[in-house]
Amino acid sequence: RKEVEQDPGPFNVPEGATVAFNCTYSNSASQSFFWYRQDCRKEPKLLMSVYSSGNEDGRFTAQLNRASQYISLLIRDSKLSDSATYLCVVNMRNTGGFKTIFGAGTRLFVKA
Amino acid sequence: DARVTQTPRHKVTEMGQEVTMRCQPILGHNTVFWYRQTMMQGLELLAYFRNRAPLDDSGMPKDRFSAEMPDATLATLKIQPSEPRDSAVYFCASGLGGEQYFGPGTRLTVT
Repeated sequence: RKEVEQDPGPFNVPEGATVAFNCTYSNSASQSFFWYRQDCRKEPKLLMSVYSSGNEDGRFTAQLNRASQYISLLIRDSKLSDSATYLCVVNMRNTGGFKTIFGAGTRLFVKA
Repeated sequence: DARVTQTPRHKVTEMGQEVTMRCQPILGHNTVFWYRQTMMQGLELLAYFRNRAPLDDSGMPKDRFSAEMPDATLATLKIQPSEPRDSAVYFCASGLGGEQYFGPGTRLTVT
C-alpha cells in the first residue's frame, strides 16, 4: 500500500461545478499536510496548507480527518483555470527530521 | 518576488556523460529538496538538506547520483555516469517549516 494515495482521475466537470478530492495516508504519525497544484509541464505550486480545524481560501476548502487518515480539497464554482493536477503532500517525522511524501496527483479538467 | 532558480532548464546529453544541475534556493529558507518526476513514477524525493546538512538521500541511487550544498545559495545534483533511465524533470524546492517552493525544473534527456 502506498503511503499517500489519491484517485488519479481525471475528473471532468463543467464550469461552476463543485468538485472534491480525497487523499489518504497510511502513517498515523503524519504531522503536516498540504495541497499543491501542478499545471502541465510546470512545477508544483503550493495551493494551501491543511489545518486540523479545516481552512478555506476563497473557493477552496481543505479538511483533515485524522481519525480516518485522509485530507480533502473542495473546489466551489470551478473555473476553466482550475484545470490542473492536484497533489496532496504529507510530512511525517523520522529520525532525520521529517519525510515528505507526495501523492501521485488527481487530474481535473474543467470544461466550458 | 523571491523564487527558486534552477539551471540549466533543459539538458540533452549522451549516455555516460556527467550531468550537473544547480539550484539557488530562496534566501532565508533552511531546507532544500531535490525531486525527480516522470510520467511513470510521479514525483520522487531524491534528497534533502537542512541548514546545508544532508538529512535524507535514501531516494537517490548512490552509485551514480550525488547531492551537495557547497554554500547556502547553491545546491547541486550530479549524475555520473548518466543513463537513459535518468531522463526526467528534476525539481529543486526550498522551504522554511513544512511548505516548499519549487523551482522551474531541469528537463534532462539522456540518449
